Amino acid sequence: EDQVTQSPEALRLQEGESSSLNCSYTVSGLRGLFWYRQDPGKGPEFLFTLYSAGEEKEKERLKATLTKKESFLHITAPKPEDSATYLCAVQGGKLSFGAGTTVTVRA
Amino acid sequence: EAGVAQSPRYKIIEKRQSVAFWCNPISGHATLYWYQQILGQGPKLLIQFQNNGVVDDSQLPKDRFSAERLKGVDSTLKIQPAKLEDSAVYLCASSLSSRQDSPLHFGNGTRLTVT
Repeated sequence: EDQVTQSPEALRLQEGESSSLNCSYTVSGLRGLFWYRQDPGKGPEFLFTLYSAGEEKEKERLKATLTKKESFLHITAPKPEDSATYLCAVQGGKLSFGAGTTVTVRA
Repeated sequence: EAGVAQSPRYKIIEKRQSVAFWCNPISGHATLYWYQQILGQGPKLLIQFQNNGVVDDSQLPKDRFSAERLKGVDSTLKIQPAKLEDSAVYLCASSLSSRQDSPLHFGNGTRLTVT
Protein backbone atom coordinates (compact mmCIF):
# COMPACT_ATOMS: atom_id res chain seq x y z
CA GLU A 1 0.00 0.00 0.00
CA ASP A 2 1.27 3.47 -0.92
CA GLN A 3 2.33 5.61 2.05
CA VAL A 4 3.10 9.30 2.41
CA THR A 5 4.63 10.78 5.56
CA GLN A 6 5.18 14.50 6.02
CA SER A 7 7.40 16.14 8.60
CA PRO A 8 7.38 18.15 10.69
CA GLU A 9 3.67 18.34 11.54
CA ALA A 10 4.01 22.05 12.32
CA LEU A 11 6.67 24.65 11.64
CA ARG A 12 6.86 28.14 13.09
CA LEU A 13 9.19 30.54 11.28
CA GLN A 14 10.22 34.13 11.65
CA GLU A 15 9.76 36.22 8.51
CA GLY A 16 12.84 35.74 6.35
CA GLU A 17 13.89 32.49 8.08
CA SER A 18 14.27 29.88 5.33
CA SER A 19 13.37 26.23 6.00
CA SER A 20 12.40 22.93 4.37
CA LEU A 21 9.45 20.56 4.60
CA ASN A 22 9.88 16.84 4.03
CA CYS A 23 7.65 14.33 2.27
CA SER A 24 8.81 10.72 2.37
CA TYR A 25 6.93 8.13 0.36
CA THR A 26 6.68 4.51 -0.62
CA VAL A 27 4.81 3.81 -3.82
CA SER A 28 4.81 1.15 -6.48
CA GLY A 29 5.31 2.91 -9.78
CA LEU A 30 5.46 6.66 -9.11
CA ARG A 31 3.49 8.49 -11.78
CA GLY A 32 3.85 11.90 -10.14
CA LEU A 33 4.39 13.69 -6.83
CA PHE A 34 2.28 16.74 -6.12
CA TRP A 35 2.50 19.64 -3.69
CA TYR A 36 -0.62 21.54 -2.69
CA ARG A 37 -1.18 24.53 -0.42
CA GLN A 38 -4.27 24.65 1.81
CA ASP A 39 -5.43 27.79 3.62
CA PRO A 40 -7.85 27.54 6.56
CA GLY A 41 -11.40 27.00 5.36
CA LYS A 42 -10.31 26.51 1.77
CA GLY A 43 -9.66 23.58 -0.53
CA PRO A 44 -6.11 22.59 -1.50
CA GLU A 45 -4.50 24.66 -4.25
CA PHE A 46 -2.12 23.01 -6.71
CA LEU A 47 1.52 24.12 -6.58
CA PHE A 48 3.81 21.63 -8.38
CA THR A 49 4.07 18.24 -10.05
CA LEU A 50 7.38 16.35 -10.01
CA TYR A 51 7.93 13.20 -12.02
CA SER A 52 11.47 11.89 -11.61
CA ALA A 53 14.41 11.98 -9.21
CA GLY A 54 16.53 15.07 -9.64
CA GLU A 55 13.67 17.21 -10.89
CA GLU A 56 13.12 20.67 -9.38
CA LYS A 57 10.29 23.19 -9.73
CA GLU A 58 10.14 26.78 -8.44
CA LYS A 59 7.40 29.31 -7.81
CA GLU A 60 8.18 32.59 -6.07
CA ARG A 61 9.71 31.66 -2.67
CA LEU A 62 8.95 27.95 -3.02
CA LYS A 63 11.15 25.28 -4.55
CA ALA A 64 10.25 21.59 -4.70
CA THR A 65 12.79 18.83 -5.24
CA LEU A 66 12.45 15.07 -5.67
CA THR A 67 14.58 12.03 -4.88
CA LYS A 68 13.68 8.35 -5.17
CA LYS A 69 12.31 8.24 -1.64
CA GLU A 70 11.40 11.78 -0.66
CA SER A 71 10.56 15.29 -1.75
CA PHE A 72 11.43 18.57 -0.13
CA LEU A 73 9.61 21.87 -0.27
CA HIS A 74 12.05 24.66 0.42
CA ILE A 75 10.67 28.02 1.53
CA THR A 76 13.18 30.82 1.01
CA ALA A 77 12.83 34.06 3.00
CA PRO A 78 9.19 33.35 3.87
CA LYS A 79 6.59 36.05 4.39
CA PRO A 80 3.47 35.91 6.61
CA GLU A 81 1.36 35.22 3.51
CA ASP A 82 3.21 31.91 3.10
CA SER A 83 1.44 30.67 6.24
CA ALA A 84 -0.64 27.64 5.24
CA THR A 85 -0.75 23.86 5.39
CA TYR A 86 1.35 22.25 2.67
CA LEU A 87 0.16 18.85 1.46
CA CYS A 88 2.19 16.28 -0.46
CA ALA A 89 0.48 13.62 -2.59
CA VAL A 90 1.86 10.72 -4.60
CA GLN A 91 0.23 9.14 -7.63
CA GLY A 92 0.79 5.41 -7.83
CA GLY A 93 -2.24 3.24 -8.45
CA LYS A 94 -4.16 5.84 -6.50
CA LEU A 95 -3.50 9.40 -5.37
CA SER A 96 -2.45 9.29 -1.69
CA PHE A 97 -2.13 12.43 0.42
CA GLY A 98 0.06 13.05 3.44
CA ALA A 99 -1.34 14.73 6.55
CA GLY A 100 0.43 17.99 5.76
CA THR A 101 2.81 20.43 7.42
CA THR A 102 1.27 23.55 8.91
CA VAL A 103 3.59 26.51 8.43
CA THR A 104 3.19 29.70 10.45
CA VAL A 105 5.33 32.69 9.51
CA ARG A 106 5.53 35.49 12.07
CA ALA A 107 6.25 39.08 11.02
CA GLU B 1 -12.27 30.73 -15.05
CA ALA B 2 -14.81 30.02 -12.33
CA GLY B 3 -13.64 27.52 -9.76
CA VAL B 4 -15.29 24.41 -8.36
CA ALA B 5 -18.51 25.37 -6.57
CA GLN B 6 -19.78 23.48 -3.55
CA SER B 7 -22.79 23.92 -1.29
CA PRO B 8 -23.65 24.18 1.48
CA ARG B 9 -20.50 25.49 3.20
CA TYR B 10 -21.54 24.18 6.59
CA LYS B 11 -24.01 21.56 7.79
CA ILE B 12 -24.84 20.36 11.30
CA ILE B 13 -27.01 17.26 11.69
CA GLU B 14 -27.77 14.66 14.32
CA LYS B 15 -26.57 11.09 13.96
CA ARG B 16 -28.85 8.85 11.92
CA GLN B 17 -30.09 11.83 9.88
CA SER B 18 -29.36 12.18 6.17
CA VAL B 19 -27.45 14.92 4.34
CA ALA B 20 -26.58 15.80 0.76
CA PHE B 21 -23.78 17.86 -0.73
CA TRP B 22 -23.68 19.42 -4.17
CA CYS B 23 -20.75 20.13 -6.50
CA ASN B 24 -20.41 21.96 -9.80
CA PRO B 25 -16.98 21.38 -11.39
CA ILE B 26 -15.00 23.71 -13.60
CA SER B 27 -16.57 23.92 -17.04
CA GLY B 28 -15.10 21.35 -19.39
CA HIS B 29 -13.57 19.19 -16.67
CA ALA B 30 -14.63 15.62 -17.34
CA THR B 31 -13.18 14.06 -14.19
CA LEU B 32 -14.80 14.74 -10.80
CA TYR B 33 -13.75 13.54 -7.35
CA TRP B 34 -15.22 13.55 -3.87
CA TYR B 35 -12.76 13.54 -0.98
CA GLN B 36 -13.24 13.32 2.78
CA GLN B 37 -10.82 15.32 4.94
CA ILE B 38 -10.90 14.64 8.67
CA LEU B 39 -9.34 17.32 10.86
CA GLY B 40 -5.56 16.98 10.92
CA GLN B 41 -5.46 14.49 8.05
CA GLY B 42 -4.95 14.66 4.31
CA PRO B 43 -7.86 14.25 1.90
CA LYS B 44 -9.04 10.68 1.31
CA LEU B 45 -10.68 9.73 -1.99
CA LEU B 46 -14.28 8.56 -1.74
CA ILE B 47 -15.26 8.34 -5.40
CA GLN B 48 -14.01 9.34 -8.85
CA PHE B 49 -16.22 9.95 -11.89
CA GLN B 50 -15.17 10.18 -15.52
CA ASN B 51 -18.04 12.01 -17.21
CA ASN B 52 -21.03 10.30 -15.55
CA GLY B 53 -19.37 6.92 -15.07
CA VAL B 54 -17.73 5.71 -11.85
CA VAL B 55 -13.98 5.06 -12.18
CA ASP B 56 -13.14 4.27 -8.54
CA ASP B 57 -15.45 3.93 -5.55
CA SER B 58 -13.40 1.37 -3.65
CA GLN B 59 -13.15 3.57 -0.53
CA LEU B 60 -16.77 4.70 -0.49
CA PRO B 61 -18.74 3.22 2.46
CA LYS B 62 -21.54 2.04 0.24
CA ASP B 63 -23.83 1.02 3.08
CA ARG B 64 -24.35 4.70 3.92
CA PHE B 65 -22.73 6.85 1.21
CA SER B 66 -23.95 7.32 -2.33
CA ALA B 67 -22.95 9.65 -5.14
CA GLU B 68 -24.18 10.43 -8.58
CA ARG B 69 -23.17 12.63 -11.47
CA LEU B 70 -26.05 13.19 -13.79
CA LYS B 71 -25.36 14.38 -17.35
CA GLY B 72 -21.63 14.36 -16.61
CA VAL B 73 -21.61 17.78 -14.95
CA ASP B 74 -22.97 18.42 -11.42
CA SER B 75 -22.62 15.83 -8.71
CA THR B 76 -24.25 15.09 -5.38
CA LEU B 77 -22.89 13.08 -2.45
CA LYS B 78 -25.35 11.72 0.09
CA ILE B 79 -24.91 10.20 3.53
CA GLN B 80 -27.76 8.20 5.04
CA PRO B 81 -27.73 7.55 7.95
CA ALA B 82 -24.89 9.72 9.27
CA LYS B 83 -22.57 8.58 12.05
CA LEU B 84 -20.47 10.67 14.43
CA GLU B 85 -17.30 9.59 12.59
CA ASP B 86 -18.60 11.20 9.38
CA SER B 87 -17.78 14.64 10.82
CA ALA B 88 -15.29 16.02 8.31
CA VAL B 89 -14.86 18.41 5.40
CA TYR B 90 -16.15 16.99 2.13
CA LEU B 91 -14.15 18.31 -0.79
CA CYS B 92 -15.10 18.14 -4.43
CA ALA B 93 -12.37 18.38 -7.05
CA SER B 94 -12.22 18.28 -10.83
CA SER B 95 -9.51 17.84 -13.42
CA LEU B 96 -9.34 18.62 -17.10
CA SER B 97 -7.88 15.29 -18.06
CA SER B 98 -8.36 11.73 -16.88
CA ARG B 99 -4.57 11.35 -16.89
CA GLN B 100 -3.38 10.36 -13.45
CA ASP B 101 -0.87 13.22 -13.30
CA SER B 102 -3.47 15.88 -14.12
CA PRO B 103 -3.62 18.44 -11.25
CA LEU B 104 -6.79 18.58 -9.19
CA HIS B 105 -8.79 21.78 -8.71
CA PHE B 106 -10.61 21.73 -5.38
CA GLY B 107 -13.68 23.53 -4.14
CA ASN B 108 -13.74 25.03 -0.65
CA GLY B 109 -15.63 22.09 0.76
CA THR B 110 -18.62 21.44 3.01
CA ARG B 111 -17.86 21.17 6.71
CA LEU B 112 -20.15 18.51 8.21
CA THR B 113 -20.67 18.20 11.94
CA VAL B 114 -22.61 15.18 13.19
CA THR B 115 -23.83 15.47 16.80
